[in-house]
Amino acid sequence: DAGVTQSPTHLIKTRGQQVTLRCSPKSGHDTVSWYQQALGQGPQFIFQYYEEEERQRGNFPDRFSGHQFPNYSSELNVNALLLGDSALYLCASSARITGTDYGYTFGSGTRLTVV
Amino acid sequence: RKEVEQDPGPFNVPEGATVAFNCTYSNSASQSFFWYRQDCRKEPKLLMSVYSSGNEDGRFTAQLNRASQYISLLIRDSKLSDSATYLCVVNKGDSSYKLIFGSGTRLLVRP
Repeated sequence: DAGVTQSPTHLIKTRGQQVTLRCSPKSGHDTVSWYQQALGQGPQFIFQYYEEEERQRGNFPDRFSGHQFPNYSSELNVNALLLGDSALYLCASSARITGTDYGYTFGSGTRLTVV
Repeated sequence: RKEVEQDPGPFNVPEGATVAFNCTYSNSASQSFFWYRQDCRKEPKLLMSVYSSGNEDGRFTAQLNRASQYISLLIRDSKLSDSATYLCVVNKGDSSYKLIFGSGTRLLVRP
């Protein structure tokens, strides 16, 4: 049973560039949430996708956008990268029917460094 | 006020010690509560859910006090392998599907 897979694992980008991160949810899960985790902080909610639509959004600027595909996989896009965007980006999957009852399953993350 | 607050630690304890972590949350409508464990530079992993009646999993015991909006995690007989950051996690409540994470409490277990 495949867990949550994310790619790439590491990425280095220059300020002003754009980046796309990818996530495949755990088998049986249809909901994908994205989190940003800065060093020494807890994960911060970016947004959540279900049925190919953004269902909820955290306090992140419009530079952060996403997409969910019919197979439930998802992408996170960040435009006009800033140094402050350097962080671990975590994808978490869950099943809509259970909501948050059983928590989320996380992928191993993409570590983004903006220079 | 942060939605989920934790003492960042670090808690530095000897092997075999008992250690307790606390967490407070601000939204009284929250319905789901968890403790996650995160090793250095790894993803968070679910340690246990927290129920109103309290629950135990081996050396780990979690308690929830809804009236005080307070969650605790007790680790007995600490092992070196328990060294990690422990994240308190709460759902947003109000029919939200969003989980909110505390900043974590770091535990160091020494020989």
